[in-house]
Amino acid sequence: GAVVSQHPSWVICKSGTSVKIECRSLDFQATTMFWYRQFPKQSLMLMATSNEGSKATYEQGVEKDKFLINHASLTLSTLTVTSAHPEDSSFYICSAREGQGTGELFFGEGSRLTVL
Amino acid sequence: AQKVTQAQTEISVVEKEDVTLDCVYETRDTTYYLFWYKQPPSGELVFLIRRNSFDEQNEISGRYSWNFQKSTSSFNFTITASQVVDSAVYFCALSLYNQGGKLIFGQGTELSVKP
Repeated sequence: GAVVSQHPSWVICKSGTSVKIECRSLDFQATTMFWYRQFPKQSLMLMATSNEGSKATYEQGVEKDKFLINHASLTLSTLTVTSAHPEDSSFYICSAREGQGTGELFFGEGSRLTVL
Repeated sequence: AQKVTQAQTEISVVEKEDVTLDCVYETRDTTYYLFWYKQPPSGELVFLIRRNSFDEQNEISGRYSWNFQKSTSSFNFTITASQVVDSAVYFCALSLYNQGGKLIFGQGTELSVKP
């Protein structure tokens, strides 16, 4: 099946720094990618929808200036957590949709961010 | 508004027992998809099944089976003869056809299968 890869798998950073997480579709083109956040023992919450070549659509309550999303190509979307703080520590998961409409969804392995 | 409810936060069973994970969803849309994912301790999401709203046939895949009932807005998941490797958090999710793949997840059910 299709593969979506996230990098890095885990990252530790100091408070105030910015961290970039990559989401790549390895064997298909993804017009749309989704970014989710999961706090410990909680469900996945959609943060934003990333569309290739256009601005991301953020869910209510998600700060677009803090969580910068770029989808510059059909195989890569990036999430940058700017000026990270300990409360941003979480598990970030991306998914990519193959094709248009209701194409199959594939999830990355997730990236665990710890902000000290 | 759309919502997915997994009322069982944690379930603990002994190996070889059958276990059913409940999922109830809410939507006014007539075209939607329902999913089940498994999340082992390592964190990655493992796709188990996708079912569209027009297909109410129950599905069986090995020890896994799913019961979709639109009349009760439920999409329950049963594991037969559970094994220790089934221990994980299981998420039920809903996707509306006109929202292009955004998933609304339930709270998840943590299944613990003891030897």
